[in-house]
Amino acid sequence: GDSVTQMEGPVTLSEEAFLTINCTYTATGYPSLFWYVQYPGEGLQLLLKATKADDKGSNKGFEATYRKETTSFHLEKGSVQVSDSAVYFCASAYGGATNKLIFGTGTLLAVQP
Amino acid sequence: NAGVMQNPRHLVRRRGQEARLRCSPMKGHSHVYWYRQLPEEGLKFMVYLQKENIIDESGMPKERFSAEFPKEGPSILRIQQVVRGDSAAYFCASSPSEAGTGLGGYTFGSGTRLTVV
Repeated sequence: GDSVTQMEGPVTLSEEAFLTINCTYTATGYPSLFWYVQYPGEGLQLLLKATKADDKGSNKGFEATYRKETTSFHLEKGSVQVSDSAVYFCASAYGGATNKLIFGTGTLLAVQP
Repeated sequence: NAGVMQNPRHLVRRRGQEARLRCSPMKGHSHVYWYRQLPEEGLKFMVYLQKENIIDESGMPKERFSAEFPKEGPSILRIQQVVRGDSAAYFCASSPSEAGTGLGGYTFGSGTRLTVV
């Protein structure tokens, strides 16, 4: 079945460092891809999305490009801040009748001042 | 415009008791999803409901778990005779239509953290 695989955390970075969180997916078709962020004690918030190959999603300095050839959707940010510390989830969805999300296991990012 | 409201935020139950988790979707949203997050794991889909209808319950355990979304009132996830393995965070999400994820993703609530002692 379809699945999403993320790099394991925790990822610990100093402020202003470059961030990459890897995400790959397996799918029988061409799903939409998402990154969600979960701050401590809160629910998930949509960070960015891409709906077709070569689309780039971006928000708050974060970017991810839908790569069909490598089935990847890696999350990047050029300069992280302490406030970016959170758990990041990669997810896929086909839409259709159910439209359910398939999540990766999440990657904890800790940014130190 | 309030977001997705879940209550309680924290729920403690003894083994064998019943747990009732409530979710009020965003105003204007008629589609509700429940997800479960076990410790150290990602979220797993449980059930998808529209008003008065269960559309997809393929992720629900076959026994002890049930969900409803009545015409009036919140969506309820009910777990009967809870066991320690039910301890998890349960998240509700809502969307205005079937195309929710295509348009912009779901809106998630802050979750209910169930602890079974």
